Amino acid sequence: EAGVAQSPRYKIIEKRQSVAFWCNPISGHATLYWYQQILGQGPKLLIQFQNNGVVDDSQLPKDRFSAERLKGVDSTLKIQPAKLEDSAVYLCASSLVAGGRNTQYFGPGTRLTVL
Amino acid sequence: AQSVSQHNHHVILSEAASLELGCNYSYGGTVNLFWYVQYPGQHLQLLLKYFSGDPLVKGIKGFEAEFIKSKFSFNLRKPSEQWSDTAEYFCAVGTDSWGKLQFGAGTQVVVTP
Repeated sequence: EAGVAQSPRYKIIEKRQSVAFWCNPISGHATLYWYQQILGQGPKLLIQFQNNGVVDDSQLPKDRFSAERLKGVDSTLKIQPAKLEDSAVYLCASSLVAGGRNTQYFGPGTRLTVL
Repeated sequence: AQSVSQHNHHVILSEAASLELGCNYSYGGTVNLFWYVQYPGQHLQLLLKYFSGDPLVKGIKGFEAEFIKSKFSFNLRKPSEQWSDTAEYFCAVGTDSWGKLQFGAGTQVVVTP
């Protein structure tokens, strides 16, 4: 079974530039999550999708971050414009369905460096 | 606000030594508890989980964890460490019905031969 795919794996940009990350969840997984992991911290949920609808985006900085999940499969996370403090690893995860007892499967992450 | 605390940020131990990593959370309601592990160069993967029932749960690679409700704790243990257990370990707590997880800051474990 293929895992969660993410691209790119690494990205270096200058502040005020834009960047986009792509995620392809495990086939058949209805729920998709985007996390931000800053160095030395645990992952922090940015946004959760159930199919193509948003379940939780309470911690997404909406003035600069946006995410979409068209057709309930792939998802993109965008930052526009980027700030220095956005340097982090962006993790995508998916689970079969939403719910507290479902295991989340994580992708390899995209390491973003903002100069 | 809800929080998840992992007591140690770095642990160094020798092979065959026992490991115990602490995890405490602040939430008074029903919780779902997880330990995830990230081996060098790999992505986060589930080590074990607790939802209900027997508070002692067993996971992969000989790991186990004990849920102590009165202490709001979910400590991870392994009786005999191996060099291949070198990794970063994250405790995560789910408190809502949608599966949202709150992670601790992680513990970097280095096992020396």
